[in-house]
Amino acid sequence: EVQLLESGGGLVQPRGSLRLSCSVSGFTFSNYAMNWVRQAPGKGLEWVSGISTDGTTSSVDSVRGRFTTSRDNSKSTLYLKMDSLRADDTAIYYCARVPTGGRYYYMDVWGKGTTVTVSS
Amino acid sequence: DIVLTQSPGTLSLSPGERATLSCRASQNIGHSALAWYQQKPGQAPRLLIYGAFTRATGIPDTFSGSGSGTDFTLTISRLEPEDFAVYYCQQYIDPPLTFGGGTKVEIK
Repeated sequence: EVQLLESGGGLVQPRGSLRLSCSVSGFTFSNYAMNWVRQAPGKGLEWVSGISTDGTTSSVDSVRGRFTTSRDNSKSTLYLKMDSLRADDTAIYYCARVPTGGRYYYMDVWGKGTTVTVSS
Repeated sequence: DIVLTQSPGTLSLSPGERATLSCRASQNIGHSALAWYQQKPGQAPRLLIYGAFTRATGIPDTFSGSGSGTDFTLTISRLEPEDFAVYYCQQYIDPPLTFGGGTKVEIK
């Protein structure tokens, strides 16, 4: 069974840092691009960042320079390092699989999400 | 960035009725770079449709997608109790990936 499991969320102060992880199973992780998508409380979905199978990354303007996406194929794990966190980064963060090697596509499998709250 | 506008914001219908959801793009996104997702409270989104009209694995044929260019539609032919949820469209023709604001299908 294909599964994605996010972890690492929590309460952090403004300007703090956090690293999210997404551990996958049930498929060959290295063959798929992956994305992070977030959802602020009561709001819609927002693509945050993505990483292709060749390690190329990209992100939405609002997090560029603050968030870093990476992957460890040997551990079948996706990461999102978040620095200089702001209150408007408060959201549920989902990792999602892209059914190709390139990150600009739809997402066919989603994790259950991990909650990040930025507050003093 | 491509802006996706979904309408209506809320659709109030009864089980067994037909639901028609609209997604309009601010730019031409071609014939197929559009996906639809369903999200229930407290759950992650679930892929319903990709390529504008292709159902994802396990999605019943009561769900159908259509459209091209800037206007796309998700149709649920007969609403089942489990279909009451929020639906999002997403474009993938051009980065950054963007989603519509969602349409909530609620029980009338």
